[in-house]
Amino acid sequence: DAKTTQPPSMDCAEGRAANLPCNHSTISGNEYVYWYRQIHSQGPQYIIHGLKNNETNEMASLIITEDRKSSTLILPHATLRDTAVYYCIVRDDKIIFGKGTRLHILP
Amino acid sequence: SAVISQKPSRDICQRGTSLTIQCQVDSQVTMMFWYRQQPGQSLTLIATANQGSEATYESGFVIDKFPISRPNLTFSTLTVSNMSPEDSSIYLCSVTGGWGMNTEAFFGQGTRLTVV
Repeated sequence: DAKTTQPPSMDCAEGRAANLPCNHSTISGNEYVYWYRQIHSQGPQYIIHGLKNNETNEMASLIITEDRKSSTLILPHATLRDTAVYYCIVRDDKIIFGKGTRLHILP
Repeated sequence: SAVISQKPSRDICQRGTSLTIQCQVDSQVTMMFWYRQQPGQSLTLIATANQGSEATYESGFVIDKFPISRPNLTFSTLTVSNMSPEDSSIYLCSVTGGWGMNTEAFFGQGTRLTVV
């Protein structure tokens, strides 16, 4: 079973920051938090991952709380092309997907 | 990153028949996985394809229904056997380049299967 809980859907205005929350209260010390997204009819796309420190790349930022029980994915300037289902995953040897958050970017 | 090619990209099949899906990677990878995505649903892990040995299946999936081969480090097949309309799904191949949890996974574009 997936070890994460995400809101089923969110809206964000184009050009604004999209902040997607994820709860993973049962995460263990050596498990990483991964984020993927799936744009309609495509395979999942890797976004970012982290263990305990905040991470940033060209796509997004990942903020992990100090107790590691939750995290937030930040898309700094959302565009219409960011409309997708976003999956937060606690990774062990396998990648088990939860239901994800369907993000709608509003023009 | 790894480039994954899945064939076929889509197919329409008659119930009772079988379809073999191929997954080819452009570089040697450590782990290969097969997923199913039913209409409107998230991805469900079917099995881990092990090179040179039998695949490791998740709960609810069995080898007789979803036989998997992995003859080398760049190629795997998934067969959907004795198909029924309930098998209509997107089937996706995924790979990781290394061991452990600090290794991102890459996904193919999937095979869209419709069983009639």
